Amino acid sequence: DGGITQSPKYLFRKEGQNVTLSCEQNLNHDAMYWYRQDPGQGLRLIYYSQIVNDFQKGDIAEGYSVSREKKESFPLTVTSAQKNPTAFYLCASSMGQGAYYEQYFGPGTRLTVT
Amino acid sequence: AQSVAQPEDQVNVAEGNPLTVKCTYSVSGNPYLFWYVQYPNRGLQFLLKYITGDNLVKGSYGFEAEFNKSQTSFHLKKPSALVSDSALYFCAVRDVEYGNKLVFGAGTILRVKS
Repeated sequence: DGGITQSPKYLFRKEGQNVTLSCEQNLNHDAMYWYRQDPGQGLRLIYYSQIVNDFQKGDIAEGYSVSREKKESFPLTVTSAQKNPTAFYLCASSMGQGAYYEQYFGPGTRLTVT
Repeated sequence: AQSVAQPEDQVNVAEGNPLTVKCTYSVSGNPYLFWYVQYPNRGLQFLLKYITGDNLVKGSYGFEAEFNKSQTSFHLKKPSALVSDSALYFCAVRDVEYGNKLVFGAGTILRVKS
C-alpha cells in the first residue's frame, strides 16, 4: 500500500447524507485517482487529477465530487445524488500522467450506505 | 477505446505447479499493459508492466508476463505456485486516448491449493 493512506477503513452512513473519503500520499506524485470497486466489475474510474487545482471526470463521476488543493491530498465526496454509493473505494497515485507510469494504490475505504 | 479481457473468473492450481492467468487486450496504437494483485479487503499491489522491449517481463514475487503482439495477449505466469499467491488478479491497459487512464479487466480469482 506504499505511501498512500485512506481513512477511514470502514464507513457507515445513512441514505441522503454526504460523506467525504480521505486520501493522502507522501510519494510526491503529481497524479491522483479515485476508483470504485464492485464485485465482479473490476475498477471504474471516478475522478482523476494531474496537478494541483485541476481534476477531470472519469467514467462514473455522477454523484461524486473532488478537490485537489494540495499535492498530497485528493478527498472524494460521495453526495446524496449518488444512487448506489455502497462500494469499496480506492485511491491511487502515480508519478505522472504518462502512459508508462504505474499507479500505486491505498488500502481502500469500504462505504456502506443504508 | 482500449479494453482488456480476463476470460477466466477463477483459476485453480496445486501448490508447486506452474500457473497462468490470462489477459487479452484491444488497443489502438502501442499497448501499455499492467498486472496488479489484490488481497481481501486491501488495495491493489503493482506486479509488473509492459511498455516496450522484451516480450517476457519479470515482476514482483516471482511473477512474469509474456507479451504476445500477434495474439494480443499479456498472460501472467509463475513457474511454481504458492498458497500465498491466492488472490484476485487484475490486468489493465492505459487508455492513451483518454488521459492515460487505466482500464481494468474484471479480475481473475487465483486459488492455490496445498
